[in-house]
Amino acid sequence: DTAVSQTPKYLVTQMGNDKSIKCEQNLGHDTMYWYKQDSKKFLKIMFSYNNKELIINETVPNRFSPKSPDKAHLNLHINSLELGDSAVYFCASSQGDRVGTGELFFGEGSRLTVL
Amino acid sequence: GNSVTQMEGPVTLSEEAFLTINCTYTATGYPSLFWYVQYPGEGLQLLLKATKADDKGSNKGFEATYRKETTSFHLEKGSVQVSDSAVYFCAVANLGGKLIFGQGTELSVKP
Repeated sequence: DTAVSQTPKYLVTQMGNDKSIKCEQNLGHDTMYWYKQDSKKFLKIMFSYNNKELIINETVPNRFSPKSPDKAHLNLHINSLELGDSAVYFCASSQGDRVGTGELFFGEGSRLTVL
Repeated sequence: GNSVTQMEGPVTLSEEAFLTINCTYTATGYPSLFWYVQYPGEGLQLLLKATKADDKGSNKGFEATYRKETTSFHLEKGSVQVSDSAVYFCAVANLGGKLIFGQGTELSVKP
């Protein structure tokens, strides 16, 4: 049973399209995250939700809109895709709203390629 | 804010060689420190952590000691295996509840 699962694993699309990535966790965690990993493996946090409430919103273009219908799901919708959006997007979850001493559990990633 | 700097990769070693991946951090207060590992085609997973100064985290033969005086958390392993080939990330938790990652260090172990 996969703890944090993301779909789709691969996504190839044209510039200007709108796409969504879905994430689900079955760990009973309160907090979920979206991270972006660029081609040089650099990881940057984008958003974090705790019990469906947005608690971290980094400087991300407003073309990116997260949605958390319940605490086990966090989806990422991207409008008007650009070439620079090509990356691997990782969903993660943790117990509690502070990661201080805790552990993040990551999904396998969704590789987005914008042509 | 908190930040992490890791040695640049790729690091290429022969099997059974000694590994050190350097990591230094800047932080307010005394944050927890982490090493995560990303195997090819997978997500990150926690390798080890330390929550206070002088703590040593260890797992799968890897170790790292939280050194407040040098603001370092270097990862070491006495004898690497081919299966250790992966990207290793040092990370620091900040007061805002975020995990800040270093840029990652790719390790390649040859038989």
